[in-house]
Amino acid sequence: SQTIHQWPATLVQPVGSPLSLECTVEGTSNPNLYWYRQAAGRGLQLLFYSVGIGQISSEVPQNLSASRPQDRQFILSSKKLLLSDSGFYLCAWSSGPNTEAFFGQGTRLTVV
Amino acid sequence: KQEVTQIPAALSVPEGENLVLNCSFTDSAIYNLQWFRQDPGKGLTSLLLIQSSQREQTSGRLNASLDKSSGRSTLYIAASQPGDSATYLCAVVQGGSEKLVFGKGMKLTVNP
Repeated sequence: SQTIHQWPATLVQPVGSPLSLECTVEGTSNPNLYWYRQAAGRGLQLLFYSVGIGQISSEVPQNLSASRPQDRQFILSSKKLLLSDSGFYLCAWSSGPNTEAFFGQGTRLTVV
Repeated sequence: KQEVTQIPAALSVPEGENLVLNCSFTDSAIYNLQWFRQDPGKGLTSLLLIQSSQREQTSGRLNASLDKSSGRSTLYIAASQPGDSATYLCAVVQGGSEKLVFGKGMKLTVNP
């Protein structure tokens, strides 16, 4: 069966520090991968998505970047965090456009 | 640009009521529509997936319908229970790009 792992669950980082959030999927190949951010009281904002290795689409100009070093690994990064980067970050995957999407348990990031 | 809307943003009902949650989207060129549930501080749990060629899907007390031409979906919850209290989100997979675009969700409270 397929599973998605996202870590860490919580993170407190100072302004200006780097960030690396990792998401991996098991039990499938060539998944679509997504990163979302959910700010308090707001909806899910799509940050990046990838339909294959080397293919990453950015949705919102911002302080973040994403990489897909392996087929089932999706990494969200920042060189210097801002206070506005605080939020709940969610990773998701699907087998393709006609299939269900499944989410990880999220990372609560607080930038102080 | 695809926009997904869920109205109202919150709903509070007594236990036992039958509920209808609404979702609308602006671009009918979608692969599918999916309903999710999110408990506080948690990731999203998939409830139902409706392919663009389908009209309806059922799972237990949940029934979701899709009218692609009018850009609408409804999630019907029969005989609501306090355990149904959560935020319900709908999302569409955008045709062509495979982006998964979310509404802002509806917070449901079922009172015992």
